[in-house]
Amino acid sequence: AQTVTQSQPEMSVQEAETVTLSCTYDTSESDYYLFWYKQPPSRQMILVIRQEAYKQQNATENRFSVNFQKAAKSFSLKISDSQLGDAAMYFCAYRGPRGGSEKLVFGKGTKLTVNP
Amino acid sequence: DTAVSQTPKYLVTQMGNDKSIKCEQNLGHDTMYWYKQDSKKFLKIMFSYNNKELIINETVPNRFSPKSPDKAHLNLHINSLELGDSAVYFCASRSTSSSYEQYFGPGTRLTVT
Repeated sequence: AQTVTQSQPEMSVQEAETVTLSCTYDTSESDYYLFWYKQPPSRQMILVIRQEAYKQQNATENRFSVNFQKAAKSFSLKISDSQLGDAAMYFCAYRGPRGGSEKLVFGKGTKLTVNP
Repeated sequence: DTAVSQTPKYLVTQMGNDKSIKCEQNLGHDTMYWYKQDSKKFLKIMFSYNNKELIINETVPNRFSPKSPDKAHLNLHINSLELGDSAVYFCASRSTSSSYEQYFGPGTRLTVT
């Protein structure tokens, strides 16, 4: 079964600085999808960024970027120029290939605090 | 416009009661999901429906019964509620033909006393 591990239960960063959240996963598939979701105190799940495993180029979305290392099964999230509104729980998630079980498997989350 | 909506947002009830949570999506998606987030914030899939057909059922007690009257709706009925059912329940939807990501509803916080 696929598993997702987030080894940092909590992280903190100073406003305007950069922080990296780590995620590793285990799968025997070669085609899959990876996601980072943000959950602020409002509890709404917000998609931050996604990565298709067949793409070598790392995904970026404004201040958010990933470091996808397929061989190492690592998928870290970098947040640049951190803002107070970035404070939230961040979940790494894995989804298998199309046609298979397309459920999301989540890590246990990292709580990010942004200090002014 | 709300994409994925859930009702109610909060639900407080006593042990032994039966309750339902409703989910509706107006995105035209054909696949819908229920996830449970426990007190430690861990999110886990419960069920998935594609075109009203159950495709994922993840070792959830029989007291939980999903029902999909049409592609836009997926309801969750829970019988004989137990203290351990207290959690936040999220509905999500996805189009299998056009998108990878799942769109989540706002969640329903269920408290069983």
